Amino acid sequence: LAKTTQPISMDSYEGQEVNITCSHNNIATNDYITWYQQFPSQGPRFIIQGYKTKVTNEVASLFIPADRKSSTLSLPRVSLSDTAVYYCLVGTGGFKTIFGAGTRLFVKA
Amino acid sequence: NAGVMQNPRHLVRRRGQEARLRCSPMKGHSHVYWYRQLPEEGLKFMVYLQKENIIDESGMPKERFSAEFPKEGPSILRIQQVVRGDSAAYFCASSPGQGVYEQYFGPGTRLTVT
Repeated sequence: LAKTTQPISMDSYEGQEVNITCSHNNIATNDYITWYQQFPSQGPRFIIQGYKTKVTNEVASLFIPADRKSSTLSLPRVSLSDTAVYYCLVGTGGFKTIFGAGTRLFVKA
Repeated sequence: NAGVMQNPRHLVRRRGQEARLRCSPMKGHSHVYWYRQLPEEGLKFMVYLQKENIIDESGMPKERFSAEFPKEGPSILRIQQVVRGDSAAYFCASSPGQGVYEQYFGPGTRLTVT
């Protein structure tokens, strides 16, 4: 299972773009990269998943360089409601999904 | 389509009692995962089940904890003879299959052992 490393916390202001980078140096060929968001007292919520290059949905973008040893979650124009913990996961899904400590994002007014 | 349901949302037990946590996966999902989360920490994988089968229980404590996902009915996480250290939020997630499918999480059950 590929281990991931993320910043413990980040601060931002409303309206800014936030980029959270995750390192996964020993990612395997079959591994996908998945990001979840968790608000206090709630279960995590799937944000985005990708394998390589760039993936975009209505919530975020995911940038994955060619070597796939890192990935960056990009949140455009954050609002106060984006304050949450963001988890980067690497794997093929199922089995022993490993959540790290995540990145605590604080969005200020 | 209802999401993942967990009940109860809050459960208080005295030391030595049993706790039963229930999880109903999303319709059409046959894979269930249980996680435990302590305050200010990430989620810790406990067990992965398919209908009538335990696929991976490597994150489950060897004693007092058990899980099942019967052919009919919800998945059950059972904790016998609870201790204060069992106090945590327990989350259930489901997915339609093994592979790269995202997991859909329930709201969690907050267990408090007094």
